[in-house]
Amino acid sequence: AQSVTQPDIHITVSEGASLELRCNYSYGATPYLFWYVQSPGQGLQLLLKYFSGDTLVQGIKGFEAEFKRSQSSFNLRKPSVHWSDAAEYFCAVAINTDKLIFGTGTRLQVFP
Amino acid sequence: KAGVTQTPRYLIKTRGQQVTLSCSPISGHRSVSWYQQTPGQGLQFLFEYFSETQRNKGNFPGRFSGRQFSNSRSEMNVSTLELGDSALYLCASSGLAGVNGEQYFGPGTRLTVT
Repeated sequence: AQSVTQPDIHITVSEGASLELRCNYSYGATPYLFWYVQSPGQGLQLLLKYFSGDTLVQGIKGFEAEFKRSQSSFNLRKPSVHWSDAAEYFCAVAINTDKLIFGTGTRLQVFP
Repeated sequence: KAGVTQTPRYLIKTRGQQVTLSCSPISGHRSVSWYQQTPGQGLQFLFEYFSETQRNKGNFPGRFSGRQFSNSRSEMNVSTLELGDSALYLCASSGLAGVNGEQYFGPGTRLTVT
């Protein structure tokens, strides 16, 4: 079955530490890939997306993600986390530019 | 320019009632998509409207319906409410159909069914 997996439900990091959020997908073809962030009481904001081309994608707020076809992964990274990055992060995929299918999300907590 | 607006922001309804939620997209956007977010099921796609036509539909019962007006504003209706319909309903607008264009999300409508 087609699916998007975010294995980490909750991650805690110290401010200034590096961050990697994992995302794996299960589809027959390479889907379009997205990362969204949701702060409490707010809607989702697009951080970055991958359609084709360079497998290392730069996004807003200092985030980047790398598409690895061999591992069916699209992990999100940030070299130095700020307290304001505390939020919930969603990986999403789309097939043929169709609807978004979201993972279950990873809640990020940042300690000072 | 103004972002995506959703009204009302909070709503409490009783089982068996019906409810209508509204979404005003960013000016110039013709695509509006609706999503349901619950702790148990996560974010799930309901449907997308583009230029007043339903372009795509998720796996929800017929109690969930929507429409889009000529000014691109969209409404979502849920009839015969069930407790499980309690959720945050998000809409997203885009200048292009599907995910070709960036989807901008509204703050959501929090629906509680008692």
